Amino acid sequence: DAGVTQSPTHLIKTRGQQVTLRCSPKSGHDTVSWYQQALGQGPQFIFQYYEEEERQRGNFPDRFSGHQFPNYSSELNVNALLLGDSALYLCASSFGQASGGYTFGSGTRLTVV
Amino acid sequence: DQQVKQNSPSLSVQEGRISILNCDYTNSMFDYFLWYKKYPAEGPTFLISISSIKDKNEDGRFTVFLNKSAKHLSLHIVPSQPGDSAVYFCAASYLNQAGTALIFGKGTTLSVSS
Repeated sequence: DAGVTQSPTHLIKTRGQQVTLRCSPKSGHDTVSWYQQALGQGPQFIFQYYEEEERQRGNFPDRFSGHQFPNYSSELNVNALLLGDSALYLCASSFGQASGGYTFGSGTRLTVV
Repeated sequence: DQQVKQNSPSLSVQEGRISILNCDYTNSMFDYFLWYKKYPAEGPTFLISISSIKDKNEDGRFTVFLNKSAKHLSLHIVPSQPGDSAVYFCAASYLNQAGTALIFGKGTTLSVSS
């Protein structure tokens, strides 16, 4: 049973560029959440997608946007990259509003230079 | 301002002894608390949770205690094993109609020596 799959695993981008990260949820899960984990910090909630709509959003600027597809997979887009966007980006999937039923992927390590 | 705090960045314990990891929160509206474990190059893995209607939950070697009046929870691991060495994150959430976000602490790195 495949868990949450994220791609790519590592990425290096230049300041000002745009990036797209991808996530395939665990089989049977319909909700995808994205988190940013900076070095030495805990994961911070970016937003959550359910039924192809953004259901909840954390304290992140509009440069961070996302999308969910009919097959429940999701993309995270970040525009106008800043050095401070360098972090591990984690995708978590769940079924409905299952509190604690999150399964996390291994993340995408984004480095902005 | 951090709503979930793990004030000990690291903890070292000998194999077989008890590990106690602590977590404090500030938002009294949180009604569900979770512990996640993270190994390097892997995503966080759910360990154990507790709802605000309980003060203790056990799962094998892991027990979580919740003290609502003190806004404090702790994770006890007994006995500790070298494979428990990882970063442990405390997280809190609150149910609302729009969904459930997890608010994480900064984590505590546990090292269990044999």
